[in-house]
Amino acid sequence: QSVLTQPPSVSGAPGQRVTISCTGSSSNIGAGYDVQWYQQLPGTAPKLLISGNSNRPSGVPDRFSGSKSGTSASLAITGLQAEDEADYYCQSYDNSLSGNWVFGGGTKVTVL
Amino acid sequence: QVQLVQSGAEVKKPGASVKVSCKASGYIFTSNAMHWVRQAPGQSLEWMGWINAGNGNTKYSQKFQGRVTITRDTSASTAYMELSSLRSEDTAVYYCARRGTGTNYWTIDYWGQGTLVTVSS
Repeated sequence: QSVLTQPPSVSGAPGQRVTISCTGSSSNIGAGYDVQWYQQLPGTAPKLLISGNSNRPSGVPDRFSGSKSGTSASLAITGLQAEDEADYYCQSYDNSLSGNWVFGGGTKVTVL
Repeated sequence: QVQLVQSGAEVKKPGASVKVSCKASGYIFTSNAMHWVRQAPGQSLEWMGWINAGNGNTKYSQKFQGRVTITRDTSASTAYMELSSLRSEDTAVYYCARRGTGTNYWTIDYWGQGTLVTVSS
């Protein structure tokens, strides 16, 4: 049971828009800590996709966007492409239990 | 370019310890903290702890407190993670991952390639 809750899977056809939610609580996202998103392609290490809730590192396509509101955050992928099929994880910091870096359970994106 | 290169796969018996290394290059090693994160087969990511590569201070997840030790060798630009009293549930891929700085303090901006640790009798 992850501290941050994500849907296990989402799917969409090429070109469509999909969104992934990340729900936390008052000790993490709701406390104002930044949310990051990572993409993990099969058999590889995670890669930073979004930092500071909505910032794309250099090289990340602008099809990916992040937002945060209250105790939740979202990742949107517009113009879905076959290469976007991967697992996506949200991450934040939790100030309970002496402080932990926490991840969501992960969402598998399937391109139909 | 920033690179984090980890040591190779390990097979250990229950009760043993494992030590994984992570050699950093492409940046000033002491400028960034280093996290250790693990991923059991088919599971999510789990934070284990981090080390301030500059002063050696560490912070561990309560789940692993007492079993994990993170150290670094600044002369070799290398971080280490040692996990003791291994059990089958510790079978996972272990990643080192660099923490960002400044406005990216809460970000993990680079990841190692991962080290598979298998615990089996």
